[in-house]
Amino acid sequence: DSGVTQTPKHLITATGQRVTLRCSPRSGDLSVYWYQQSLDQGLQFLIQYYNGEERAKGNILERFSAQQFPDLHSELNLSSLELGDSALYFCASSVAATGLGANVLTFGAGSRLTVL
Amino acid sequence: AQSVTQLGSHVSVSEGALVLLRCNYSSSVPPYLFWYVQYPNQGLQLLLKYTTGATLVKGINGFEAEFKKSETSFHLTKPSAHMSDAAEYFCAVSKRGGADGLTFGKGTHLIIQP
Repeated sequence: DSGVTQTPKHLITATGQRVTLRCSPRSGDLSVYWYQQSLDQGLQFLIQYYNGEERAKGNILERFSAQQFPDLHSELNLSSLELGDSALYFCASSVAATGLGANVLTFGAGSRLTVL
Repeated sequence: AQSVTQLGSHVSVSEGALVLLRCNYSSSVPPYLFWYVQYPNQGLQLLLKYTTGATLVKGINGFEAEFKKSETSFHLTKPSAHMSDAAEYFCAVSKRGGADGLTFGKGTHLIIQP
């Protein structure tokens, strides 16, 4: 157990729908990252939050949004889902926002999203 | 922009043989370098990292990697493969002091033949 908790583990939904993925970071970590893993794109960085504030944005679609709450858990919202959004979504956490402390990530087990 | 290239999407070795997984990076400044391992149905786990200092870095499970600036490489090795090493391995790079997350390679699937 890495200490990073992601729910749900599996999710099957239809095109056009909206889903929310949840992540609780490891105890003591203030930074949360979201990654998308697919066969064709590999691991893609989506977005980073630190202590409730957005810190960095990667290849995140406008249909996707995220937030980090005061208790530091984070949610990734995916809307108007398309077949191509089917992927494994990972949450990771780290101690810091920048520097080495930001780059040593602890990953959760992922949420597998299937869009039919 | 940073990038990572992992040579070989699949590498097969015999149990007991040397494991060599190749990683080359592109970065305008010396980066931090990482190797992560992903076992089936699990998240990524940090194997080892290079930040500064000694260029030969030792990690968990007997793995090590050497940072070669002149070759912009960070290859992962293990002297003797075990069946339990079968997994997906990812090389990653990040900017020093940056907050843009890690840039990962496409991954190398390591197959261990009995």
